[in-house]
This record gives sequence, structure tokens and C-alpha cells, in this order.
Amino acid sequence: DGGITQSPKYLFRKEGQNVTLSCEQNLNHDAMYWYRQDPGQGLRLIYYSQIVNDFQKGDIAEGYSVSREKKESFPLTVTSAQKNPTAFYLCASSKEEVTEAFFGQGTRLTVV
Amino acid sequence: GDSVTQMEGPVTLSEEAFLTINCTYTATGYPSLFWYVQYPGEGLQLLLKATKADDKGSNKGFEATYRKETTSFHLEKGSVQVSDSAVYFCALRASGGYQKVTFGTGTKLQVIP
Repeated sequence: DGGITQSPKYLFRKEGQNVTLSCEQNLNHDAMYWYRQDPGQGLRLIYYSQIVNDFQKGDIAEGYSVSREKKESFPLTVTSAQKNPTAFYLCASSKEEVTEAFFGQGTRLTVV
Repeated sequence: GDSVTQMEGPVTLSEEAFLTINCTYTATGYPSLFWYVQYPGEGLQLLLKATKADDKGSNKGFEATYRKETTSFHLEKGSVQVSDSAVYFCALRASGGYQKVTFGTGTKLQVIP
């Protein structure tokens, strides 16, 4: 079945460490996105990519980095520069000519 | 820039009550509009969509009509069930080439038996 897979579902990080969240899709979608969700808040866009080897900053890119070396994969690294990384992270993808985005199940990151 | 405004929750209803969640938007041109649903601990699922003015999206008893004159896309359901308890997000994708999806802040719905 086609879909978006995020891993791990839960992730714990010590302060000062970088951590990478995985996102893989087999929908043959061109565009991929990373969103952050905090309790009681909506989704805020971190980064998005329309094509391989290209990506753009979203609204809250500081302290995060991404890569898009393959169409299927869009990993997100939460760096030590991100001051408040504890949140629920959602990856999504969309086909350019189809308007809706499809979401993974999310990764809950907790800094300990 | 583009924006989506939803009514604040939580919304608490008794089973079989009528549901309305208001959503208004600001965007240039003719955006596509969406409602997504999120169950606890999960990602978002597309509930319904409308891509042009006066279109009505519908799914699982939920409906929403794209009203360009009032820039609104209100979500309605005639008779809610306990299983509808979730967070609902209104979203838009602007027209004109590739555009990112912009989300509202979400409205939590709790249905009590």
C-alpha cells in the first residue's frame, strides 16, 4: 500500500544533541513537507521541498535542517540550536498537480 | 499572505447533535480548501475538499461548501457520534503554480454519549 512512513514514533533526545527524524513516501509525490505541532496549536511549516536536491525554508526553519537526495525521502534534523524542540513532528507529501497533502503518523520528540 | 481562521474550541456536543465548525480564509486568487481530521496521537487525514467556488465537499456525513463571497468553508454534520471526537483543521492551498498548504489552528471536538 502506498503511504508515508515516519520513524521513530517516539524519540527522546538529550539537550545539546542533534537528532534526525525519518520520512519516506512511496506515493511518487514530488513535494514533501515538515510541520511542527505543539499542544493546542496548529501546524507550523518548517521546511518544504518541491523537487529532489531543492528545498525552501518555511515559517520556523531556525534550528532545523533537511536534505532531499531522493524523491522518496525527506529527513529532518533537529539541531542543538533549536531552543525548544519538544513537539509532535508531521511529514507530508503531495503531487504537484493534485492539491491535497497526505500525512504520516508523526514523530513525538521529547528532550530530556 | 495566506491565512485560515477557525473557531476556537473545544466544542462539546451530545451524541446526535448538529455540528458546525466555522472556517474563514484570506488568499489571493482561487485557493483549494480542505478539512483534515486528527485523532489522538496520529497524523492528519483528509476529510473533504473543494477546489472551486460553490463546490461542496462531503465525506462520512460531513459537508462543507466553498463560499467565495464570504471567504468561508464551514464544516457541518447533521448528527455527530462519539467516534467523531477529534481535532479538525481547515486548510487552503493557493492557486497559481506550486503553493504550500496553510492550516488553521484546529478545533477540538468532543462528543459525549
